[in-house]
Amino acid sequence: DIQLTQSPSFLSASVGDRVTITCRASQGISSYLAWYQQKPGKAPKLLIYAASTLQSGVPSRFGGSGSGTEFTLTISSLQPEDFATYYCQQLNSYPITFGQGTRLEI
Amino acid sequence: EVQLVQSGAEVKKPGESLKISCKGSGYTFTSYWIAWVCQMPGKGLEWMGIIYPGDSDTRYSPSFQGQVTISADKSISTAYLQWSSLRASDSAMYYCARRKVTDDSLDIWGQGTEVTVFS
Repeated sequence: DIQLTQSPSFLSASVGDRVTITCRASQGISSYLAWYQQKPGKAPKLLIYAASTLQSGVPSRFGGSGSGTEFTLTISSLQPEDFATYYCQQLNSYPITFGQGTRLEI
Repeated sequence: EVQLVQSGAEVKKPGESLKISCKGSGYTFTSYWIAWVCQMPGKGLEWMGIIYPGDSDTRYSPSFQGQVTISADKSISTAYLQWSSLRASDSAMYYCARRKVTDDSLDIWGQGTEVTVFS
């Protein structure tokens, strides 16, 4: 199985900050990576797929980059509604796996 | 509106069987894979497996192979996740989600079904 390691696991930030979350894969996965946002008590929401393609309806302050084994999710200017947990997901091979999550708090 | 609607919360005893459902609407149900994702309380997401309702082709994560059964009834646009004998460790939130056509990312999610198993 491909392991995904996110860093940091916990991130404290303020409204207006620029934040970056990293996801490292245990082996190369080309650009087969997605990012999700999950708020407490809610289902995850797809933000980015194919490493850098913004899902329809997702604000442009969210951006993704990377390929191979290292990927980043960047939020350019944090808004109050962005405080949530973020997960990466590799789509290169079965079984599909998720990172352990990054909790973003004020 | 494209949506997946899951069945309601369940409380069961160890050893009991259970089948939860996920009904799709607003799109061609047979043309998209449906995945099941598990989230234990306070923990991360685990991909359990996936089914193509068009022909019931199914893939499982090795972690869940033999522990659960994924099925679908395309006549009623519904996918299922079932257990033959529940354990306390099966207590979790279970989500169904639609796989995008382009890759394995999941663009539409159900609201989740909470399963609690205790004696």
